Amino acid sequence: DVVMTQSPLSLPVTLGQPASISCRSSRSLVYADGNTYLSWFQQRPGQSPRRLIYKVSNRDSGVPDRFSASGSGTYFTLKISRVEAEDVGVYYCMQGSHSPWTFGQGTKVEIK
Amino acid sequence: EVQLVQSGAEVKKPGESLKISCQASGYGFASRWIGWVRQMPEKDLEYLGIMFPANSDIRYSPSFQGQVTISADISTSSAYLQLNILEASDTAMYYCARGEPGSFDFWGPGTLVTVSS
Repeated sequence: DVVMTQSPLSLPVTLGQPASISCRSSRSLVYADGNTYLSWFQQRPGQSPRRLIYKVSNRDSGVPDRFSASGSGTYFTLKISRVEAEDVGVYYCMQGSHSPWTFGQGTKVEIK
Repeated sequence: EVQLVQSGAEVKKPGESLKISCQASGYGFASRWIGWVRQMPEKDLEYLGIMFPANSDIRYSPSFQGQVTISADISTSSAYLQLNILEASDTAMYYCARGEPGSFDFWGPGTLVTVSS
């Protein structure tokens, strides 16, 4: 299985400050069709996951533009330009280029 | 509006089996992949498998093959996850999620399964 490694696992952030989460895969996530199937999900406390980003850098509908993502091959990053209170939760990367799909361990974002 | 409505929380004894459901609405159920993800208490997300209802193409994670069975009923736009011979370690939240190439774009609220003697 492709191993997805996130860092940091815990991220205390001051409100209004930026935050960055990285995600590394054990294999390249470039699929045979040329796409890179790397997604980011947010899981707020007590809620189910919600997708924020698909195919590395595409924001889902309704996702605030303070969320951005980038990367290629085996290294990917999710950035929050200015953290707000509603951003508290656990963030997961997930690869869908290789079967079985696999998730990172999650990064817990909390307010300092 | 896309909706995935999952069946309610369950409490089971070790050795029992369980089938949980996920009823979809707001989109063409048969023509979209539907998958299942497990989240043990305070743990990460784990991919169990995915199914394309229109042709019953099912792909299991090798880690869960034989432990779970995924199925669907197009007539009711419902997907099912059967958990066989439950153990305490099966205690978890189980999510269904709508699939698209390489990702899940919409998740259900989850079904909490507790296995305890």
